[in-house]
Parts: sequence; structure tokens; C-alpha cells
Amino acid sequence: AQTVTQSQPEMSVQEAETVTLSCTYDTSESDYYLFWYKQPPSRQMILVIRQEAYKQQNATENRFSVNFQKAAKSFSLKISDSQLGDAAMYFCAYRNGGGADGLTFGKGTHLIIQP
Amino acid sequence: DAGVIQSPRHEVTEMGQEVTLRCKPISGHNSLFWYRQTMMRGLELLIYFNNNVPIDDSGMPEDRFSAKMPNASFSTLKIQPSEPRDSAVYFCASKFGRLPYGYTFGSGTRLTVV
Repeated sequence: AQTVTQSQPEMSVQEAETVTLSCTYDTSESDYYLFWYKQPPSRQMILVIRQEAYKQQNATENRFSVNFQKAAKSFSLKISDSQLGDAAMYFCAYRNGGGADGLTFGKGTHLIIQP
Repeated sequence: DAGVIQSPRHEVTEMGQEVTLRCKPISGHNSLFWYRQTMMRGLELLIYFNNNVPIDDSGMPEDRFSAKMPNASFSTLKIQPSEPRDSAVYFCASKFGRLPYGYTFGSGTRLTVV
């Protein structure tokens, strides 16, 4: 079974600075998808960014980018120019490219933005 | 589209009572997922449906839990009888089944069993 590990229960960053959240995963598959979700206090799960394993180029969405290291099974999220609205729980998630559906989540990282 | 709609948003019930959580997926989405979120275990997949048919219920913790999807626009997760350890946030998510991404989550139901 696949596992997703987020080793940082909590991170803190100054507003306007850059922060990187870590995620590692374990799989024997070669085709899969990785995601970062944001969960603010409202509880809503919001997709931040997606990475297809077959793509070598790291995904980018505005201030959010990932560092995808397939050999190391690492998938970190970088948030540039942190804003107060970025404060939330961030979850890393994995999905096989085929076969069983559904996402496997890490335990999450609580991101605090210091004004 | 109003997104994935879950009801109720909060539910408080007494131990031993039956609890039913409801979910309306996004129109056109033919895959539906139920997740449970707790502090200890994080987000766990309980069950998912494809075209209203349960595909994988291996995450359902006990026989006290059951889920149905009578049609493409409605699903329920029932706990009978409920126990305090069932207290959690329950999320429903849907997507178009052919795609390996595009999951849309509801706002969740916070269940408290006292």
C-alpha cells in the first residue's frame, strides 16, 4: 500500500517570505499523481497544485510551486511571497495512475503566517 | 454549480443512536468518495462508488458503518449504532470517473457522539 509522510506537523513563516513544506511517499508504481491540498479553518479542501509523475517539469500555480524528485520520492511545496490567507493545514496526497481510485493523504502540516 | 453539498454541517448525537450523513455530488461526476478525518489518523478513505456501484469499501471501519448511493445525485453514510470514537469530520468528494484527478470535496460534516 502507498504511504504519504509529512514530517513537519507545523511550520511558521513571516508574511512575504518563502516557505517550503515537505512530503515523501512510498510506492512501487511508476505512474501516479501527486497533489497538495489546502484546508483553511472553514474545513473546505482546496486543491493547490497537481503533479503527474510522468512529467519531469515541476508544476507551478502562481505563488505555489513544487519540487518533484521522482527517484527520491519527494514532493515538496514552495509558497513564495507568503500571505496571511495562506495560513491553513496543507495536505500532500497520492493517487495511482490506474487501478484503485481515491487519494492517500499525509497527516498534514499546519502553516502559520506571522504578520 | 454549487459544488459537492453535504448535510448536515454539524451533528451531535448520543451514543447508540443512528446517524445518517448525506452528500450530493457535482452533476456529471460519476465517482463519489467518503473520507473520515480525525486528529489521530488524518484523512482516511472509507468507501468509493463508481456509477452508483460500491467499488472499494475496505476502509469502512466496522459493520456499524454502511454507505449507499441510490442514484447519481445522492449518497448516504450511516452509522448504527454510533459510538464516541466515531466523532470526526466526514467528507464527501466527487469527480468525473475517467480522470485520475479533479476531486472536488464538500465542506464536511462534523460528527460528535456523546
